[in-house]
Parts: sequence; C-alpha cells; structure tokens
Amino acid sequence: DIQMTQSPSAMSASVGDRVTITCRASQGISNYLAWFQQKPGKVPKRLIYAASSLQSWVPSRFSGSGSGTEFTLTISSLQPEDFATYYCLQHYTYPLTFGGGTKVEIK
Amino acid sequence: EVQLVESGGGLVQSGGSLRLSCAASGFTFGRYWMTWIRQAPGKGLEWVANVRHDEGEKWYVESVKGRFTISRDNTRNSLYLQMDYLRVEDTAVYYCARGPEYGEYHKWFDPWGQGTLVAVST
Repeated sequence: DIQMTQSPSAMSASVGDRVTITCRASQGISNYLAWFQQKPGKVPKRLIYAASSLQSWVPSRFSGSGSGTEFTLTISSLQPEDFATYYCLQHYTYPLTFGGGTKVEIK
Repeated sequence: EVQLVESGGGLVQSGGSLRLSCAASGFTFGRYWMTWIRQAPGKGLEWVANVRHDEGEKWYVESVKGRFTISRDNTRNSLYLQMDYLRVEDTAVYYCARGPEYGEYHKWFDPWGQGTLVAVST
C-alpha cells in the first residue's frame, strides 16, 4: 500500500500568514493526488485535483504543486474561513489512501 | 445541482448487518464511478470501496473485504453498501462520493453526501 505522510499534523497560524502543507508518498504517484478541506462538523470538500488544478470555487490564494512523491498545498494569505483540516489523497493505485490530515488552527 | 443523500445508518451489535443507501441526483449517475468513504469519530478519512459505472470493477480496502459489498442500481440512481459481520472498529460516519466520469482519471471524491453514522456496539 502507498503511505501518504502529511506534515505538519497540526499548526497554528495567523490571518495573513503564508501556510504550506506537505504530503509525501511512499512511492511515486505521478500527479494522481487531490487535496480536501474539512471544516469542523462539515463534509469534506475537494480543493485541488491532479496535484495542481483548483476547483472552480476555490480562491486563488490556494495552490497545489508537486509530482512523484512530494506535494505541497500552499495558502498564500490565510483567511479566517481557511481554518480547517486538510487531507491529501492518492488515487494512483488501490487501496486509495489519504494522508493523516493537517489541522490549521488560529494562533 | 449535484446532490448525494445517504441513509441507512444506525446502531447495530457486533456481528450484525446494515445496508447503506446513497440517492444521487443532478448528474448522469450511470456514467460515474462511485465510492464510499468513512471517518471514525475524531479521526481521519478512510476510503472503503469503489464501483465502476457499470459494476465491472469493484475495489475494497483490505479491512472490509469479504464483509462489505458495494453495488449500484443505475435505473434508480442509487449506490449501496451492504455491511455484514460488523465490528466495533467499523464505527464511523459513512460518506458516499462521486468519482470520475468513466474514462477520466483525476476527479475523485467530489461532491460528498452529508454522511450517515454507523455505530457498532459490543
């Protein structure tokens, strides 16, 4: 199975900060990676697919990059509505696997 | 508007069975992969099972193989998860989610339903 390791697992940040979340795959997955946002008590929503393609509703302060085994989700200027838990997902091969999540909290 | 609505969750004893349903609307259901994903209380996300648009492929996470069965009825725009021999560790909110349209590769898990809670007691 491909292991997806996210770092950090939690972080505190202030409004306006630049935030970077990393997801590392235990083997190469090309760009078969997606990012999801889950706010407390809410359903997860896909932010990014194919490693770097933004969903139409996602603000441009979000960006995704990477290929192979190293991927990043960047929020260029953190906004109050961005405080949430973020998950990466690899769909290169079965079983599909999520990272453990990164909880972004208010500093 | 694309919509997915799960039902069928509840409290069941260990060793028991439940059948989850997911009613889809707002898109051509029979053209898409569909999936079940679960989230244990306070934990992360775990993919459970996928089914191809025509049921020609079905995939499961190892921990549910032989116990859970994913199926669909394209005439009813519905997805199902038959869960047998339930264990305490199956306790979670179960979400259905849309996969990619057949022939595409990248658009997994969008959107999600609101989820249905399955609680397994000893």
